[in-house]
Amino acid sequence: GENVEQHPSTLSVQEGDSAVIKCTYSDSASNYFPWYKQELGKGPQLIIDIRSNVGEKKDQRIAVTLNKTAKHFSLHITETQPEDSAVYFCAASLYMDSNYQLIWGAGTKLIIKP
Amino acid sequence: NAGVMQNPRHLVRRRGQEARLRCSPMKGHSHVYWYRQLPEEGLKFMVYLQKENIIDESGMPKERFSAEFPKEGPSILRIQQVVRGDSAAYFCASSPKIASLYNEQFFGPGTRLTVL
Repeated sequence: GENVEQHPSTLSVQEGDSAVIKCTYSDSASNYFPWYKQELGKGPQLIIDIRSNVGEKKDQRIAVTLNKTAKHFSLHITETQPEDSAVYFCAASLYMDSNYQLIWGAGTKLIIKP
Repeated sequence: NAGVMQNPRHLVRRRGQEARLRCSPMKGHSHVYWYRQLPEEGLKFMVYLQKENIIDESGMPKERFSAEFPKEGPSILRIQQVVRGDSAAYFCASSPKIASLYNEQFFGPGTRLTVL
């Protein structure tokens, strides 16, 4: 079955610097890759996603890249701000048992140092 | 349009008691997912339900745990005879009725279960 690995587990960056979180997946049939942000005490929320027919997608300070050949995708946050501090989860969507399911990475705790 | 609602937000139980966690999906959503999150850890998938059907329960312990999503009313995650190791945050998510590869999962605020 599909397996999603996420690195690093914790990332600490200086405010204003960039942060990059990487994920790899195992099933080449996966076609959709969302990223979720979980703030302290809250449930995760979708922040950006990418489909397999696209190599890169950008939304203001966040961007996601996808390399289907290498089966990895990354989240890039530029000009980091204190409010970017959170746990970030990647996921891969797979059609399995007659339904679409998300397979989740283990999460990355992003700490923005003032 | 109200988001995913979970109640209670905090639940304290003594060992051996039962815990019932409720999740009301977003309006128009008929797919519900339950996740468990231990402190400082990631989301662990537990169970995926549609109305009156369990689609995938591969992440749910075989004993003491059960889930349902009846035709009417919220989805219920039930933990019988709770133990200290059940202490965690339990999140519910829902997605729209029509199955799609690109379905976003909308999460509730979670129920934080503490077993004394």
